Amino acid sequence: QVDVVQSGAEVKKTGASVEVSCKASVGYIFTHNYIDWVRLAPGQGLEWVGRIDYNSGATNFAKNFQGRVAMTRDLSKSTVYMELGSLRFDDTAVYYCASRPHHYMYVWGQGTTVTVSS
Amino acid sequence: QSALTQPASLSASPGQSISISCTGASSDIGDSDYVSWYQLHPGKAPKLIIYDVNNRPLGMSDRFSGSMSANTASLTISGLQAEDEGDYYCASYTSTTTLENVLFGGGTKLTVL
Repeated sequence: QVDVVQSGAEVKKTGASVEVSCKASVGYIFTHNYIDWVRLAPGQGLEWVGRIDYNSGATNFAKNFQGRVAMTRDLSKSTVYMELGSLRFDDTAVYYCASRPHHYMYVWGQGTTVTVSS
Repeated sequence: QSALTQPASLSASPGQSISISCTGASSDIGDSDYVSWYQLHPGKAPKLIIYDVNNRPLGMSDRFSGSMSANTASLTISGLQAEDEGDYYCASYTSTTTLENVLFGGGTKLTVL
């Protein structure tokens, strides 16, 4: 059983944008949750990118990403999206979405590999 | 803010117990009741191990326990098993009226010998 399914791997050029989606599978709902985005870069630790309130659409981003990240959701598709722009080489990472019912990330997606190349 | 500090690696034999520390500052982990721990295995979705310092999610083995003292949180794994091998991360959630932040540790690679 997979509760949260993310979109497939992406390869982008520096300066471009990437959009990653995160969908609740049948039988799992995002309602009353925040959806967080976290990344794991090669040789680095986990890094919080930000979150979206699934109900209201309100967002909050980590300082490092403010100005070049956007998070949206489509209630009809039970899907949230993260768009990261002005991509740099060091944005190469596995990006995870996770549902956060309180102050912890409870159900995680399988991860989406984003590779930034020249 | 800098990442929380964890030992880079630990190793132990099956059946032994280990503790992973997670140290921060009084302004982040020391000011948070919301410390969580996650287990990462290559190619798999991360798994929540401990939340709110010392609570286990439903179905999580009681071999995993969490604690907190001043600016350091700890994850203890007792009766180590081969499947416990992996990467472990702590996280601290803090918020004010206008800002919230999740700070992760640098991660600890646990090897079960």
